[in-house]
Amino acid sequence: QVTLEESGPTLVKPTQTLTLTCAFSGFSLNTRGVGVGWLRQPPGKALDWLALIYWDDNKNYSPSLKRRLTITKDTSKRQVVLTMTNMDPVDTGTYYCAYRAVDGPWRYWGPGTMVIVSS
Amino acid sequence: EIVLTQSPGTVSLSPGDRATLSCRASQSISSTYLAWYQQKPGQAPRLLIYGTSHRATGIPDRFSGTGSGTEFTLTISRLEPEDFAAYFCQQYGTLPLTFGGGTKVDI
Repeated sequence: QVTLEESGPTLVKPTQTLTLTCAFSGFSLNTRGVGVGWLRQPPGKALDWLALIYWDDNKNYSPSLKRRLTITKDTSKRQVVLTMTNMDPVDTGTYYCAYRAVDGPWRYWGPGTMVIVSS
Repeated sequence: EIVLTQSPGTVSLSPGDRATLSCRASQSISSTYLAWYQQKPGQAPRLLIYGTSHRATGIPDRFSGTGSGTEFTLTISRLEPEDFAAYFCQQYGTLPLTFGGGTKVDI
């Protein structure tokens, strides 16, 4: 079955760079049409999409955060990595990775990882 | 950017009640690209409905989705205790991918 799991630091200082890893199983990121993305949710608020990487290494980013985000994949390790630069307290929230296939919805989600930005 | 507005923000209902949740888009969306998710406290969202009206695997038939253009609706025919949660709509046809602000279904 498809599983995803996020990992990374819980606490980050303002201006630092955040690096999150999504480890997945049950599918291949070499399969045509498959994508893995990152989303986040501030406490008590709605979901925001951040970035998406496809099987062919095509990448899409949220326009409002594009300058700060980089998404990469390591197909052999079954991992997708997100880096976000210049972290700010408003970036505090739960960060999720999720699976998307053939322009579909976010069908499978990781449990999420909480990130707190504080000095 | 397509803005999705959900209403109401919170609705208080009882088990056995019917829940009707609305999602309005700032511009027309193909019905192929509208989804609904359920989220319980401390958990990741779970896909309920995709393509406006198609239930995801394992989703009970008390959940149904309808709509077209800019108006979409999620209906829960008879609320079960486990249905009290937050619900989000999402459009996935146009970048950036966007979500609505959510509706919380309270007891």
